Amino acid sequence: GEEVAQTPKHLVRGEGQKAKLYCAPIKGHSYVFWYQQVLKNEFKFLISFQNENVFDETGMPKERFSAKCLPNSPCSLEIQATKLEDSAVYFCASSQFPGLAGANVLTFGAGSRLTVL
Amino acid sequence: KQEVTQIPAALSVPEGENLVLNCSFTDSAIYNLQWFRQDPGKGLTSLLLIQSSQREQTSGRLNASLDKSSGRSTLYIAASQPGDSATYLCAVGGGGSEKLVFGKGTKLTVNP
Repeated sequence: GEEVAQTPKHLVRGEGQKAKLYCAPIKGHSYVFWYQQVLKNEFKFLISFQNENVFDETGMPKERFSAKCLPNSPCSLEIQATKLEDSAVYFCASSQFPGLAGANVLTFGAGSRLTVL
Repeated sequence: KQEVTQIPAALSVPEGENLVLNCSFTDSAIYNLQWFRQDPGKGLTSLLLIQSSQREQTSGRLNASLDKSSGRSTLYIAASQPGDSATYLCAVGGGGSEKLVFGKGTKLTVNP
């Protein structure tokens, strides 16, 4: 499709529970990015993939966060043992080409709102 | 480490006014700069993308400029409308990384 599809739209978890978010990139886009938005406008880069390979994971909290992009499946972002501070909107974006040069525009999904109680 | 600052944090204007949103970045080694719009509870909509070799881009009532050497960009909105009310985010990419670094945004309210 022509949009980045994220599910679920909303997810509520008790502290310590697992949370898993999904992202289907635009067909033909090889690059997938995850961003975390806390405090309304604080966007933090988490991780990016080139197809199923991790491209840049410098933003990922090592201990509880993991992500995958497997062939013929939506990409996923999983948080083990959620904490209150994980409450945020998680955005997925995809792009067709590597790099940010040229006309390579990131297309963002509508986001998944995670609330940890 | 790239840092992006947007001023003002919030802006309220009457309908029909022309306005300018500002964005500054600390590292001039960028590939490009993007302006996004975010409506409450929604995702990001890309408005304009300026390549590092360009100085400006225009789309309808929007004009974005880029001065790489001074680390600044502006988004000019002409004849503002209530439908322009949203948060506008500036993001830069480059410096050897594929990721975008975002500013904190400017929340724009256009009053009828």
